[in-house]
Amino acid sequence: QQPVQSPQAVILREGEDAVINCSSSKALYSVHWYRQKHGEAPVFLMILLKGGEQKGHEKISASFNEKKQQSSLYLTASQLSYSGTYFCGTENLAAQFYFGTGTSLTVIP
Amino acid sequence: SQTIHQWPATLVQPVGSPLSLECTVEGTSNPNLYWYRQAAGRGLQLLFYSVGIGQISSEVPQNLSASRPQDRQFILSSKKLLLSDSGFYLCAWRYRQGANPEQYFGPGTRLTVT
Repeated sequence: QQPVQSPQAVILREGEDAVINCSSSKALYSVHWYRQKHGEAPVFLMILLKGGEQKGHEKISASFNEKKQQSSLYLTASQLSYSGTYFCGTENLAAQFYFGTGTSLTVIP
Repeated sequence: SQTIHQWPATLVQPVGSPLSLECTVEGTSNPNLYWYRQAAGRGLQLLFYSVGIGQISSEVPQNLSASRPQDRQFILSSKKLLLSDSGFYLCAWRYRQGANPEQYFGPGTRLTVT
C-alpha cells in the first residue's frame, strides 16, 4: 500500500526545476507532501484533496490526478534550502495513510 | 496552540532489553495518533495508528506494540529489542475530523540497539 515515488534521487543546480512523482495503487482521498532535512522530523509542505488541488508555496506546487492515483510535486528555480528528502503521503478512501518511498533532492551551488 | 512531545530524544539499548517510548499531544482533543519508524537513509514506515483510547491498529507484524492509555498519550513498547529495531521513531497526530488532514510530527526518538 506504500505509494511509489520517482525519481529516487535527484541533484540540481541552483535555479533549476525538478518534478517528483508519487503513484498509488489505491483510490485516494488526499495526497500530502513533506520535506525532511537530515536528522529532523518531516515538515508539511502542502496537501491536495480529492476534487481539487491546493498550492502551498510560491515556487513549490503540486498536482493531483485522481483517475491515475498520482501526484506530482513541482519545484521551480530551486534554492539551496530545498535540499532534503521529499515524501508524499497518501490517504485512501478507508482513511489509511501511508508515506511514499522518498526522493532525495540535493541542490548544489 | 498544539504541541507534540516525544521522549527520550535519544536512546541506546542492548539487544533483548525492553523499550518504552512516549508521545503526548497538547492543545487538542481526540486526535488520531501515529507511530512511524525510519531506518537510516530509508523512508517512513507506519507501525501503529490509533483513532481513540484503547484503539490500536497495527500495520506491520513485529515485536513492537503500542498502547493509548489516555486520549493524548501514545506509547510504543517492546519486551525484547532486536538489532533491526534501530532507527528514528516518529510520533504524529492529526485532527480526527475536519478539513485539515495534515499530520504534525514530534521531534523523534533516535534508538540504537547494540
